[in-house]
Amino acid sequence: DIVMTQSPLSLPVTPGEPASISCRSSQSLLQSNGYNYLDWYLQKPGQSPQLLIYLGSNRASGVPDRFSGIGSGTDFTLNISRVEAEDVGLYYCMQTLQTPHSFGQGTKLEIK
Amino acid sequence: QVQLQESGPGLVKPSQTLSLTCTVSGGSISSGSYFWSWIRQPAEKGLEWIGRISTSGTTNYNPSLKSRLTISIDSSKNQFSLNLTSVTAADTAVYYCARVRSGAYDYWGQGALVTVSS
Repeated sequence: DIVMTQSPLSLPVTPGEPASISCRSSQSLLQSNGYNYLDWYLQKPGQSPQLLIYLGSNRASGVPDRFSGIGSGTDFTLNISRVEAEDVGLYYCMQTLQTPHSFGQGTKLEIK
Repeated sequence: QVQLQESGPGLVKPSQTLSLTCTVSGGSISSGSYFWSWIRQPAEKGLEWIGRISTSGTTNYNPSLKSRLTISIDSSKNQFSLNLTSVTAADTAVYYCARVRSGAYDYWGQGALVTVSS
């Protein structure tokens, strides 16, 4: 099974400042088709997770352009260019290359 | 707009079977190259992938649950379901259903809390 490891697990950020979350996988998520099967999700307090980024770097519909995903193989990063109050919650990376699909532990973003 | 809604008992006794249904609206469950999946989240913990089913009925299960798990699909009702047998307190969680397209979980239900307790 593929193990996903996120860091940091807690991320206090001042509004307007940038933020980054790292995600590493125990195996490469790059498939022969050139796509990295790595998604990012945000779970706001009391809500279901929502898709932010899919296939490593593609923003989902309706996601603000301050969110971006980079990386390939085993190392990925979610960047938020300027954090807003509405961005608080738990951020999860997830691999969908092979079953069982698996999530990182989650990173809790809070506002300073 | 696709919507998913979980339904089922909120309380299940230990050793019994947990059964949940996910009703899909705003689109046909049998159209497109989708998978339909279940994910769970124990209180104050992270997300755990349970399994998925394709529109043709092909299933993939988490090996940690495989011996107790069945996921099925009913296209006539636009629903898919989860059955988990021999439950224990460790199965207490919020259970989510979701649609999967090209590896991305793009639509999620609001979640259903299931408590295993006598």
